[in-house]
Amino acid sequence: KQEVTQIPAALSVPEGENLVLNCSFTDSAIYNLQWFRQDPGKGLTSLLLIQSSQREQTSGRLNASLDKSSGRSTLYIAASQPGDSATYLCAVRDSGNTPLVFGKGTRLSVIA
Amino acid sequence: ETGVTQSPTHLIKTRGQQVTLRCSSQSGHNTVSWYQQALGQGPQFIFQYYREEENGRGNFPPRFSGLQFPNYSSELNVNALELDDSALYLCATGGGLAGYQETQYFGPGTRLLVL
Repeated sequence: KQEVTQIPAALSVPEGENLVLNCSFTDSAIYNLQWFRQDPGKGLTSLLLIQSSQREQTSGRLNASLDKSSGRSTLYIAASQPGDSATYLCAVRDSGNTPLVFGKGTRLSVIA
Repeated sequence: ETGVTQSPTHLIKTRGQQVTLRCSSQSGHNTVSWYQQALGQGPQFIFQYYREEENGRGNFPPRFSGLQFPNYSSELNVNALELDDSALYLCATGGGLAGYQETQYFGPGTRLLVL
């Protein structure tokens, strides 16, 4: 059974810092991995999707990497801003028509 | 803005009651999944519908049931509500052949409180 773990559970950084959020999964035979952002009490916004054949994806200040063999992904946020404050969720899909399996998320606070 | 809408946004019920939550997807998204997110937890998969048929279910009891309509909108029904059913309920839609999906698009969720 696939399990997803995110470390740390919470992170507080000053504005402008570069930071890394970690995600690990137990079964490396995944179809894809997705990073989401969730603002308090709100739904999920997809940030980046990495297919199993890819090593990384970039969007603006965000970069996500995938190492399937070690069961790890990282989300790198450059030059953090207070507007980046949210919970970041990592989710994996084991095949194309199976559901997403989520971690518990990392709650990020960027202090101005 | 994902184009996925859910109603109602908030709901308060008492234990033992029944509730229906609704989700409308983007045009062409033939798969809908429902997730339950308790406070401080990641979303947990409830079930998935593809072309009006349930084609996957998580570890939830039968009192959680669903429907998908020809226009691909969907309902989640929960009978005999329990206090632990209090959570944010998210629907997610996607499209593709035989239910295969790439990115899933999530709605804003319905916050259910059971007293």
